[in-house]
Amino acid sequence: SQTIHQWPATLVQPVGSPLSLECTVEGTSNPNLYWYRQAAGRGLQLLFYSVGIGQISSEVPQNLSASRPQDRQFILSSKKLLLSDSGFYLCAWSLPGANVLTFGAGSRLTVL
Amino acid sequence: AQRVTQPEKLLSVFKGAPVELKCNYSYSGSPELFWYVQYSRQRLQLLLRHISRESIKGFTADLNKGETSFHLKKPFAQEEDSAMYYCALRYQAGTALIFGKGTTLSVSS
Repeated sequence: SQTIHQWPATLVQPVGSPLSLECTVEGTSNPNLYWYRQAAGRGLQLLFYSVGIGQISSEVPQNLSASRPQDRQFILSSKKLLLSDSGFYLCAWSLPGANVLTFGAGSRLTVL
Repeated sequence: AQRVTQPEKLLSVFKGAPVELKCNYSYSGSPELFWYVQYSRQRLQLLLRHISRESIKGFTADLNKGETSFHLKKPFAQEEDSAMYYCALRYQAGTALIFGKGTTLSVSS
């Protein structure tokens, strides 16, 4: 069966520090991968999605970037964190062309 | 631009009362619509989708293209229904889901 893993689960970082959140999917090939941010009062905001290795679509201009170095690995990064980057980050996957997302457990980032 | 609107941040009802979580969308074509749910300390998960026309945990949702709505309904709320509910839209194949801001449903006895 397919599983999705995210880490770290929680992270407290100072303003200006770098960020790396990782997401991996097991049990499937060539999944579509997504990063969403869940912030208070702002709901679930799509940040990036990828339909293949090296193919990243960005939905909103921001301080974050994403990479997909391997088929089932999706990384969310920042060179210098801002206070506004605090939030709950969710990785998700779907089969190509499918319309159902499966979400990871999330990573809670607090920027101080 | 495509948008999903959930006008209520919080909906509080008593056990056994009817529930309606509102969702409106802005898209002129034929979208796919979904409801996702996040129970306390659990992952966000799919509840139902309009193409399935199914009832899950007593919840139903009907797509009304005239009103561009996809409201989630349950005739008799249960305490275990307390959760955050997100309405989501996919406006064409190959695109990512666009979510609303979510509604917290609180069911008390």
